[in-house]
Order: sequence, then structure tokens, then C-alpha cells
Amino acid sequence: DVKVTQSSRYLVKRTGEKVFLECVQDMDHENMFWYRQDPGLGLRLIYFSYDVKMKEKGDIPEGYSVSREKKERFSLILESASTNQTSMYLCASSLTDKAEAFFGQGTRLTVV
Amino acid sequence: DQQVKQNSPSLSVQEGRISILNCDYTNSMFDYFLWYKKYPAEGPTFLISISSIKDKNEDGRFTVFLNKSAKHLSLHIVPSQPGDSAVYFCAASALRVSGNTGKLIFGQGTTLQVKP
Repeated sequence: DVKVTQSSRYLVKRTGEKVFLECVQDMDHENMFWYRQDPGLGLRLIYFSYDVKMKEKGDIPEGYSVSREKKERFSLILESASTNQTSMYLCASSLTDKAEAFFGQGTRLTVV
Repeated sequence: DQQVKQNSPSLSVQEGRISILNCDYTNSMFDYFLWYKKYPAEGPTFLISISSIKDKNEDGRFTVFLNKSAKHLSLHIVPSQPGDSAVYFCAASALRVSGNTGKLIFGQGTTLQVKP
């Protein structure tokens, strides 16, 4: 079974803090993704990576950056957290020639 | 610009009846479509998919129909069970587009409630 693990289930951070969300997958998938889920908006793609050290912006990259130093690990960084970044963050991974993505359990981030 | 749309935010059905969830898309380059199911405080789990070369795919109680000319797909659940109550997301990918990295574009989701 594919396993995608996100480092935290719940996080509370203060406005202006630098926040790191970590994601690890154990199936040697090339692609990794970060989405955020908000009510009425569905899942929106923040950033994705198709190889180590490679990254591309998704639909809503502003205020975020990412790091992929190893194939199995993909980190999302909130450079200076703001209240409008309060959301559910979901990491996913997939193989290059497959559409099906496997998701982690999500991180509920609250910025106060 | 919402490329994948689920226009019904919620749906309520009686246990044992059919649930029909709908999804529309605008990008004709999409060639693979998926449905995911999500419970609160959990990540989405893959349910069923369909390639654009097919018009129907069935897996147990779940059937997905694709109408390419209308750019519309639907998920049928028969019979519906209370455990099916969740948020359902439709997703699309342009898998065969050169250089595509397999990213999925999601709809807004439909909350299904199955009443006992």
C-alpha cells in the first residue's frame, strides 16, 4: 500500500511565523503535490514537483515555497504565515504515467 | 477560471436509493477523470476513474459515466449506504499531453448525505 505521511495533523501558528509542513511518501513516486482545501473551493494546487529539486507553481503559489531535496520528501513552506492561510493542507504523490494520486491525512493549519 | 465544476454543493438521498453526483469540465485536453471520496479530517481516497476512450466504468456499487461531447461526467452509487456519506471530489488530468506531470485539477466537491 502506498503511504503518504504528513508530519502534523493539527498546527496552530502565529501571524508572521515561518511554517514548515513536511510530507513523506514510501512508494518511490516521481510526482509530489501540495493542495489546500477550503469550503466551497475544493482542492487547489499550490505547488508540485516532478523530480528531485524540480518544482513548478500551481494555481495559488503566492505566499508559499517548496523544497524537494530527496525523492521521498516534499516540504511546503509558509514564509510569513497570515490568517488567510488557515486551511487544510493536503500532500499527494503519484507515478509519472499515472493520474491516480495518493493523499496524506492532511494538516489542519490555523494561523492566529 | 474553474476548469472542473461540481455545481451541486450537497445531495441527500435515502439509504438503498441511487446517488448521482455530477461534474462538468471545460478543458478538452483532459483525458483522464477520477472521483475521490473524503471524510472530515482525513485525506481524499481514490474511488474510481475513467479514461476518455471509454464512456463507462463500473466497480461494484460505483459507476462513472463520461459524456465527452457534453464535457460531463457523473458518478452513480447504487445502492447508497449511510457509510457513503462524505464529500466527493471530481478530478481531471491531461495525462497524455506532452510534458504533463500528472497534476490533477479538482472540482469544488459535493457533500453526500445518505439517510438511514
